Amino acid sequence: DGGITQSPKYLFRKEGQNVTLSCEQNLNHDAMYWYRQDPGQGLRLIYYSQIVNDFQKGDIAEGYSVSREKKESFPLTVTSAQKNPTAFYLCASSHRGTEQFFGPGTRLTVL
Amino acid sequence: DQQVKQNSPSLSVQEGRISILNCDYTNSMFDYFLWYKKYPAEGPTFLISISSIKDKNEDGRFTVFLNKSAKHLSLHIVPSQPGDSAVYFCAARYSGAGSYQLTFGKGTKLSVIP
Repeated sequence: DGGITQSPKYLFRKEGQNVTLSCEQNLNHDAMYWYRQDPGQGLRLIYYSQIVNDFQKGDIAEGYSVSREKKESFPLTVTSAQKNPTAFYLCASSHRGTEQFFGPGTRLTVL
Repeated sequence: DQQVKQNSPSLSVQEGRISILNCDYTNSMFDYFLWYKKYPAEGPTFLISISSIKDKNEDGRFTVFLNKSAKHLSLHIVPSQPGDSAVYFCAARYSGAGSYQLTFGKGTKLSVIP
């Protein structure tokens, strides 16, 4: 089955800790994206990558980092510099110019 | 400043009637528009899209209308079904410079009442 997987579904982190969210796709898509959703808000773009070994900052990149070493994988690290990390995180992928397909999301809670 | 606006946070419709969800945008460079449907604690699923060279696109019960001069698009669902109850996000894209970033509205929560 082709699709996008995100793990874990729920994640808890203590303040001051870095945490990495996983995103894998087997759709052979070139582009991958990370979004954040807060209650009552739309999806805001954190980072995106159009090809392997290249990525660009989105609208709210501060406090986050990414890597794109493989076409299938685009992990997101939420660092201790992110002031308000509690949110629902969504990963997406697409062929260039087509609609984005989303994973099931990871809910991160900072304790 | 919000470039994509969904001014109605919520909408209630009787089953079988038409649901109309609205979306306004400010950036005239947007050339492709999409609607996504989202259930709680799940990722959005793509519903329907429209290119700026068209004014209407239809897929089954779902029709999207685009009015470029008014910078307005709408999603019509006919007939509405209880399973359509979800949050609907409007998104817009500017394809310039090879970037395919989407800008999302804040969403409209649709409730279809049986």
